[in-house]
Amino acid sequence: EDQVTQSPEALRLQEGESSSLNCSYTVSGLRGLFWYRQDPGKGPEFLFTLYSAGEEKEKERLKATLTKKESFLHITAPKPEDSATYLCAVQEVGGTLTFGKGTMLLVSP
Amino acid sequence: DAGITQSPRHKVTETGTPVTLRCHQTENHRYMYWYRQDPGHGLRLIHYSYGVKDTDKGEVSDGYSVSRSKTEDFLLTLESATSSQTSVYFCAISQNRVRDTGLNTEAFFGQGTRLTVV
Repeated sequence: EDQVTQSPEALRLQEGESSSLNCSYTVSGLRGLFWYRQDPGKGPEFLFTLYSAGEEKEKERLKATLTKKESFLHITAPKPEDSATYLCAVQEVGGTLTFGKGTMLLVSP
Repeated sequence: DAGITQSPRHKVTETGTPVTLRCHQTENHRYMYWYRQDPGHGLRLIHYSYGVKDTDKGEVSDGYSVSRSKTEDFLLTLESATSSQTSVYFCAISQNRVRDTGLNTEAFFGQGTRLTVV
């Protein structure tokens, strides 16, 4: 059973069309939840760390939120340059990072 | 990029041959990790290191070994490469692991090595 599930697997948006990506997790003791962005042919690029339920972080058009069972990455008025695969990872107490399979986002002009 | 260099960036090798991938960092971070990324599986941890000569297994460690003789270098070896080890391999570094409190634990990734075993 997957510990980290991301949905949708793929998302196509028009430029300016806001939406959210979901990351649900089933780990028992969450130490932290991480969001990364990955462009084709490159390594994941760190975006955010969330440590506790209710926490929110923002960076440009991206906003990450965390509850006890899931995290959302909200994308407001996306631009074509936001197109990438977004990865979620969780870190348990005593464990290392466990990644979801990612959401591939395509923003069309 | 966070001062992480992976080499080689691309490699094609034959089944049964040994292969070593190198990760070099200039950040003096304590922790180093090797992941593989495959379609449908996402990133999976192979091995990691929490200090010089201190290593531990990850989720998919079978068929792989690692060594860390210096803080800046972490080597991943496939003793006898198989086609199932065709993948993209990423090295990552972080300052602190989950047990450390009050400090950032995010990992920074290298650009990856694309390995093809034929």
